[in-house]
Amino acid sequence: SQTIHQWPATLVQPVGSPLSLECTVEGTSNPNLYWYRQAAGRGLQLLFYSVGIGQISSEVPQNLSASRPQDRQFILSSKKLLLSDSGFYLCAWKGRGGQGYTFGSGTRLTVV
Amino acid sequence: AQSVTQPDIHITVSEGASLELRCNYSYGATPYLFWYVQSPGQGLQLLLKYFSGDTLVQGIKGFEAEFKRSQSSFNLRKPSVHWSDAAEYFCAVVMTPNAGGTSYGKLTFGQGTILTVHP
Repeated sequence: SQTIHQWPATLVQPVGSPLSLECTVEGTSNPNLYWYRQAAGRGLQLLFYSVGIGQISSEVPQNLSASRPQDRQFILSSKKLLLSDSGFYLCAWKGRGGQGYTFGSGTRLTVV
Repeated sequence: AQSVTQPDIHITVSEGASLELRCNYSYGATPYLFWYVQSPGQGLQLLLKYFSGDTLVQGIKGFEAEFKRSQSSFNLRKPSVHWSDAAEYFCAVVMTPNAGGTSYGKLTFGQGTILTVHP
């Protein structure tokens, strides 16, 4: 069966520090992968999506970047965090030809 | 531009009462439609989805939703709410491929409705 893993679950980082959040999917191949952010009191905003290794599309200009070094690995990064980067980050995948989306358990990032 | 509207930011119901959460979308054609639930600090769990066919969709945990093309709505319902249903609920849509959507399948979410259940 397919599973999706996200880590860490919570993270507190100082302003100006780097960031790396990882998401991996098991039990499928060549999935579409997505990073969403949920800021306090707001809905979910799509940040990045990827349809294949090395292929990244950004939905909104921001202080973050994404990479897909392997088929089932999706990484969200920042060189220098801002206070406004605080939020709940969710990774999701969708199988090719399928329409179902599966979300990870999320990472709560607090930038202090 | 595509958009999803959940008019109710916060709804409070008593346990055992019926529930309806509203969702309206703005698209050029009928999209694929989803309802997700999120407990505090947790990820999203899919409740149900509509792709085509019967406009009344049954989901998990006793939830159902009805797609109404004429109203561009996909409202979520439950006949009797349990205290464990307290959570935040999100409606989401994705454009279908034959309506110009790509295979990227980017979900667009509503702002969410927080459900509080009183004993």
